[in-house]
Amino acid sequence: AQRVTQPEKLLSVFKGAPVELKCNYSYSGSPELFWYVQYSRQRLQLLLRHISRESIKGFTADLNKGETSFHLKKPFAQEEDSAMYYCASQGAGTYKYIFGTGTRLKVLA
Amino acid sequence: EAEVAQSPRYKITEKSQAVAFWCDPISGHATLYWYRQILGQGPELLVQFQDESVVDDSQLPKDRFSAERLKGVDSTLKIQPAELGDSAMYLCASSLSGSGGYTQYFGPGTRLTVL
Repeated sequence: AQRVTQPEKLLSVFKGAPVELKCNYSYSGSPELFWYVQYSRQRLQLLLRHISRESIKGFTADLNKGETSFHLKKPFAQEEDSAMYYCASQGAGTYKYIFGTGTRLKVLA
Repeated sequence: EAEVAQSPRYKITEKSQAVAFWCDPISGHATLYWYRQILGQGPELLVQFQDESVVDDSQLPKDRFSAERLKGVDSTLKIQPAELGDSAMYLCASSLSGSGGYTQYFGPGTRLTVL
């Protein structure tokens, strides 16, 4: 069964420190992978997609098929990065979209 | 910039009553999703439409929940009768298409409280 696991409910880091939010997926094929973010009092929105191989707001995410991971990273955290982050997957050629339980990132001054 | 609209934003109801939520997706988006998000958890897909057809409703409690998208544009999600455990945020999202890794655009959500 398709599953997305985010092991950390809360991650606190100091401003300027590196950040890594973990995401592991289980799917027999090659899913599409995403990171969505929800800032305080805002809508859930796309942060980045694996297929685009882009860096958004300094964040990158690398797909590791061997470890079935899609961790989100940023070298220097900023206070405005504080938000709820959700990893999501969509099975290749399917409609099924699965979200993880989310990680709350707090960047401390 | 076009956005997904939802109404109402908040709904308080008593158990056994009927409630309905409305969603207007971004124009031109063929796929529409309804999610339920319980506090502390990620969004859980309830139903997915491709145009006016349901393509996934495997997690929809069909004894009390129903959803329709009659003309392939806006959609309504209904709960009848509401139960205490239905208290949650109900999110609507839309995308250009349903497969192929398209971005989902979310509405602001409807927060339901069942007393």
